[in-house]
Amino acid sequence: GDQVEQSPSALSLHEGTDSALRCNFTTTMRSVQWFRQNSRGSLISLFYLASGTKENGRLKSAFDSKERRYSTLHIRDAQLEDSGTYFCAAEAPNTDKVVFGTGTRLQVSP
Amino acid sequence: NTKITQSPRYLILGRANKSLECEQHLGHNAMYWYKQSAEKPPELMFLYNLKQLIRNETVPSRFIPECPDSSKLLLHISAVDPEDSAVYFCASSQYGNSGNTLYFGEGSRLIVV
Repeated sequence: GDQVEQSPSALSLHEGTDSALRCNFTTTMRSVQWFRQNSRGSLISLFYLASGTKENGRLKSAFDSKERRYSTLHIRDAQLEDSGTYFCAAEAPNTDKVVFGTGTRLQVSP
Repeated sequence: NTKITQSPRYLILGRANKSLECEQHLGHNAMYWYKQSAEKPPELMFLYNLKQLIRNETVPSRFIPECPDSSKLLLHISAVDPEDSAVYFCASSQYGNSGNTLYFGEGSRLIVV
């Protein structure tokens, strides 16, 4: 079946540093959505992309428009409140099913 | 997040029957139930579009969804099993298929004792 491979599985950052998360898809995907799950378990939508890039503050996401086989989430100037688990979720063509990646657990420390 | 409300938020059950409820105030026509077990990503259980069940993943028959109208979603659980302990998320989107952002409720945490 369709698979979403997310990396890294865990990440530790110091405040003020930059990093990137990645999702690779085993097949062409129609769209991708990025979520952060906070310590209370809430799933917060960060970006939805059908192509190209989107930016919101210190976060920027890109979806490979050519082959549609990967997406990235860049975190700039990491802050303590960025800690949580980040999921990508992708939708394959000709289907209404959204498949989640396995998540990246991010810990930002002072 | 008050746009998608779920109840109850916490539920501790023995082998009893219970229903989870969800209501969305976003005007969306598609609603979903997802199950998230510990240390796992959310997994789709059911998808309704315009009150019609259009996706039913491999879910034990003790889970029965109901969509009384396009803004409400129920999940009836009978004779729960310990493997059912998880957080059950309701979600909605503007369409039932393709190209739309999923919005999640706060989840209902089920603990089976």
